[in-house]
Amino acid sequence: EAGVAQSPRYKIIEKRQSVAFWCNPISGHATLYWYQQILGQGPKLLIQFQNNGVVDDSQLPKDRFSAERLKGVDSTLKIQPAKLEDSAVYLCASSLGKLLSYNEQFFGPGTRLTVL
Amino acid sequence: QQPVQSPQAVILREGEDAVINCSSSKALYSVHWYRQKHGEAPVFLMILLKGGEQKGHEKISASFNEKKQQSSLYLTASQLSYSGTYFCGTEGNDYKLSFGAGTTVTVRA
Repeated sequence: EAGVAQSPRYKIIEKRQSVAFWCNPISGHATLYWYQQILGQGPKLLIQFQNNGVVDDSQLPKDRFSAERLKGVDSTLKIQPAKLEDSAVYLCASSLGKLLSYNEQFFGPGTRLTVL
Repeated sequence: QQPVQSPQAVILREGEDAVINCSSSKALYSVHWYRQKHGEAPVFLMILLKGGEQKGHEKISASFNEKKQQSSLYLTASQLSYSGTYFCGTEGNDYKLSFGAGTTVTVRA
């Protein structure tokens, strides 16, 4: 079974530039998550989708971050404009269902973003 | 609010045991454990549910004390492959998973 795919794996940009990340979850997984992991910290949830609807985006800095999952499959996360503090690894994860207690999350390899 | 993990780091020799603790200030429905090796994605270890049900894939055990809002992960007879950073994720009544800062485990031959 193919895992969660993410691209690009690495991205270096200057502050105030824009960047987009792509994620393709495991086939059949209805729930998709985007996390931000700053060096030395645990993953922090940015947004959760159930199919193509947003379940939770309470921690997404909406003035600069946006995400979509138009057909309920793959997803893109965009930052515009980027700030120095956005430097982090952006992890995408998917699960079969949305109930946390009964659904393990499968993580992709992540995109390491460096903002100069 | 993110859970607190302790210790921050531990160094073991192969065959030794270790315990990683995860503590939350809120009432918990479930606790999730993941391991992340350097430069790789986090990998699921287990979910512990309120009421004692446990779902896991590896020979690593854990406990969940609902009253104390704490969980412990037990690394028994550690192997080199156990090295990595262990994260606990806690689910409260907001149905969101909050991850701790992680515990880095180094197992040496």
